[in-house]
Order: sequence, then structure tokens, then C-alpha cells
Amino acid sequence: DSGVTQTPKHLITATGQRVTLRCSPRSGDLSVYWYQQSLDQGLQFLIQYYNGEERAKGNILERFSAQQFPDLHSELNLSSLELGDSALYFCASSVTSGANVLTFGAGSRLTVL
Amino acid sequence: AQSVTQLGSHVSVSEGALVLLRCNYSSSVPPYLFWYVQYPNQGLQLLLKYTTGATLVKGINGFEAEFKKSETSFHLTKPSAHMSDAAEYFCAAELYNTNAGKSTFGDGTTLTVKP
Repeated sequence: DSGVTQTPKHLITATGQRVTLRCSPRSGDLSVYWYQQSLDQGLQFLIQYYNGEERAKGNILERFSAQQFPDLHSELNLSSLELGDSALYFCASSVTSGANVLTFGAGSRLTVL
Repeated sequence: AQSVTQLGSHVSVSEGALVLLRCNYSSSVPPYLFWYVQYPNQGLQLLLKYTTGATLVKGINGFEAEFKKSETSFHLTKPSAHMSDAAEYFCAAELYNTNAGKSTFGDGTTLTVKP
């Protein structure tokens, strides 16, 4: 157990729907990162939050949004889902915002039918 | 922009043989470098990291990697492969002087270990 908790582990939904993925960072970590892992695009950085504020943005679609709450947990919202959004979504956390080791959760596998 | 290239998406070795997984980075400034391992149905776990200092870095499970600035490389090695080493390995790079810390990952290398 890495200490980073992601729910749900598996999610199956239909195109056009909206889902929310949740992440609780490791105790003491202030920074949360979201990554998307798919077969054709590998591991892609989506977005980072540090202590409630957005700190960096990667290849995140406009249909996707995220936030980090005062208790430091984070949610990734995916809307108007398309087949191509099917992927493994990882949350990772770190102590600070700067360069350091990421601790990953086990991921949320999203299947869009 | 920095990028990370892992040469060989699949590497197969026999049990007991040397493991060599290649990683090159492109960055104007030498970044922090990491190797992560991902076992099936699990998240990524840190194997080792290079920040500053000694260029030969030792990690968990007998793995080590050497930072070579002249070759912009950070190859991962293990002298003797074990069946339990079968997994996907990711090299990652991160600039040390940014406030927006995020790692750029390579595409991953799947290691198969044959008995």
C-alpha cells in the first residue's frame, strides 16, 4: 500500500456521460498529480495541484477538470466521455511542488462503452 | 521542452542474465532522473533517483543506474535478472529549478524474464 488511495478502482460508463475520480494523497503530501495511461499514448501528465492551487497543466482536455480540496484530497472530473477516454488514470502525490519522488496510487480504470 | 526516450519497448532476458534498460533525456539543463517500476494492476513504484552527486545510483531490488551527462543517458541495469523483475519500467525526468514540478515519462519498457 503506497498510501495514495484512489477510488473507484474500476468504472464502466457510456459515451457522453460524466464521471468523477477521487484521490487521497499520502499523509503529509501537499501536492497531487493526475496522469492518464493508455496503450497508444503511454503515461501522460494531466494536471498538478499544490496545497489547493493549480500548479501545472499538461495534456488535459477541456472536457476534463480537477480540483484539490482543503483536506488535500483531489477529484478529477471527466465529462462528455468518448471511447478514447478509456484509460487508467493515476493519481500521485509528493511532499512539495518541486522535483521529487512521486508516490502513485493503484489507479482507476475507466472503460467507456 | 524536455523529453525522455526509452529505447526498446520490449526487452527479454533469461533468468540470471544482465538486465539493461536504456533511457535518454533531452534537456538544456541536466534534470532530476528517476526510474519507476509498474507491476501488473498496480501503480508505479520508485526504483531509484538521481538528483546530484554520485552519478552511479543504487536502488531497490538490486537495480542501479548511471547518469552520464555527456551521453544524456540514465540507463538502468541489474547484474542478474530474477523472474520477479518482469514488469514495465519507466524512466522519468524532472527539471530541478521549476516551481511546477512534474515528471516527464518515457513510453516504458516491458521486461520479460524467461526461465
